Amino acid sequence: NAGVMQNPRHLVRRRGQEARLRCSPMKGHSHVYWYRQLPEEGLKFMVYLQKENIIDESGMPKERFSAEFPKEGPSILRIQQVVRGDSAAYFCASSPTMGQLNTEAFFGQGTRLTVV
Amino acid sequence: SQQGEEDPQALSIQEGENATMNCSYKTSINNLQWYRQNSGRGLVHLILIRSNEREKHSGRLRVTLDTSKKSSSLLITASRAADTASYFCATDSTDSWGKLQFGAGTQVVVTP
Repeated sequence: NAGVMQNPRHLVRRRGQEARLRCSPMKGHSHVYWYRQLPEEGLKFMVYLQKENIIDESGMPKERFSAEFPKEGPSILRIQQVVRGDSAAYFCASSPTMGQLNTEAFFGQGTRLTVV
Repeated sequence: SQQGEEDPQALSIQEGENATMNCSYKTSINNLQWYRQNSGRGLVHLILIRSNEREKHSGRLRVTLDTSKKSSSLLITASRAADTASYFCATDSTDSWGKLQFGAGTQVVVTP
């Protein structure tokens, strides 16, 4: 049973380009969370999705960022017109039930985005 | 200050010594989780403690939770060089749909 799979592991983009980060949750998990980690900081919640639904996007920047979790395929975090400040590690976590009530969150290895 | 704030920010000890780090939070929680992160790597789940639990053990790890003080501690006994990492606490608040709030972490360096 593979864990949470994120790809790519490393992504380099020039300013103004688009970044697409993928997350395949653990088998049987239908809830996905995205977090961002800036250097020397903890993880910050971005968005919580179920299949085809955004449940909580309170941590998403208002512009340029979007997320989806289609019925088939991985969850995608999309960043349009990237800027240097978007450089960070982006982590995905999945869980089998609504929220993560009393169950551990399973995290992927992250995608490290560098904007040059 | 932010939810899930760790103290100290950094800790340097020798192999064999114990390492203790603390976490404070602000809201009511369902559970509190501790994670380890090696430099440039993903998060490894260590322990989950529920709001109705006071203490939990896993190998060389001991976690306590005091909901009246809104604080938790992580103790690593008989530390090893391989324990060198950043340690984060994360809280699952009762009103947050299960999203986790992380602190900035405690950097632990264990020297041989």
